[in-house]
Amino acid sequence: QVQLVESGGGVVQPGRSLRLSCAGSRMKFSDFGMSWVRQAPGKGPEWVAIISTDGSQTHYSNSVKGRFTISRDNAKNTLFLQMNSLRPDDTGVYYCASQCEGCLDNWGQGTLVTVSS
Amino acid sequence: DIVMTQTPLSSPVTLGQPASISCRSSRSLVHTNGNTYLTWLQQRPGQPPRPLIYKISERFSGVPDRFSGSGAGTDFTLKISRVEVEDVGVYYCMQGTDFPWTFGPGTKVEIK
Repeated sequence: QVQLVESGGGVVQPGRSLRLSCAGSRMKFSDFGMSWVRQAPGKGPEWVAIISTDGSQTHYSNSVKGRFTISRDNAKNTLFLQMNSLRPDDTGVYYCASQCEGCLDNWGQGTLVTVSS
Repeated sequence: DIVMTQTPLSSPVTLGQPASISCRSSRSLVHTNGNTYLTWLQQRPGQPPRPLIYKISERFSGVPDRFSGSGAGTDFTLKISRVEVEDVGVYYCMQGTDFPWTFGPGTKVEIK
C-alpha cells in the first residue's frame, strides 16, 4: 500500500530554518494533492499546508503563512516543507499526508521538529 | 476560519457497549459543489492519525463496520456500535470544506 516517509526533523534554534522532506512510494505521487499536518506535544493535529498535484496551487494555515513554503518534485516523488523563522510553538511532529476529496487518506509516521535554544 | 468543537472531550465506555461522539462546526460544511467534507480520524497512542470516515458517512477501506458517521450542515456524529479494546484512543473530526482545514479538539475514548 501507499508509503509516505518523512525526514529532516531535528533540534533547531528559534529564528533558524529547517527543510522537511516526504518520500512517497507505492503510489502515483503526481496524481495526489499533498498536505503537511503537525501535532504539538500533547495536543491535537493542526493542518499546515496543502499543494496541488502539479504544484501550481498552495494554501497555508494562518500560523505559518509567510514563513513556511510547501513544494514538490514529482520526478522524485518527494514533498517538501521549507520552514523559516522558526518559533518554539512550531515544535511538534510533522506528518505528510496524501489528499482525497476534502480529506487526507494516507499518512506518514511523522518527523519531530524541536525549536529550542 | 471554521472552528470545530467536539463533545464529550472524554468518554469512558464499557467493552461491547456503544459510544457516540458529536462534532459541531462554526458554519455549514456544505461545499459549493454540494458535498460536505467532514472526516473522522482515530489516533492511538504513539501512532499517526488514521482516517476512519470521510464525507460524513463513507468508511475508508479496511475500517470495521462498527464505525459509522452521520449528520449534516454543522452537526455530525461518530458512532461505535460495540466498543472493542483496539478502539481506545483519541478521535478527531476535521473539516476539508474551506481553507484552512481545521480539526476538532479530540475526544478520548477509554475503557471503564
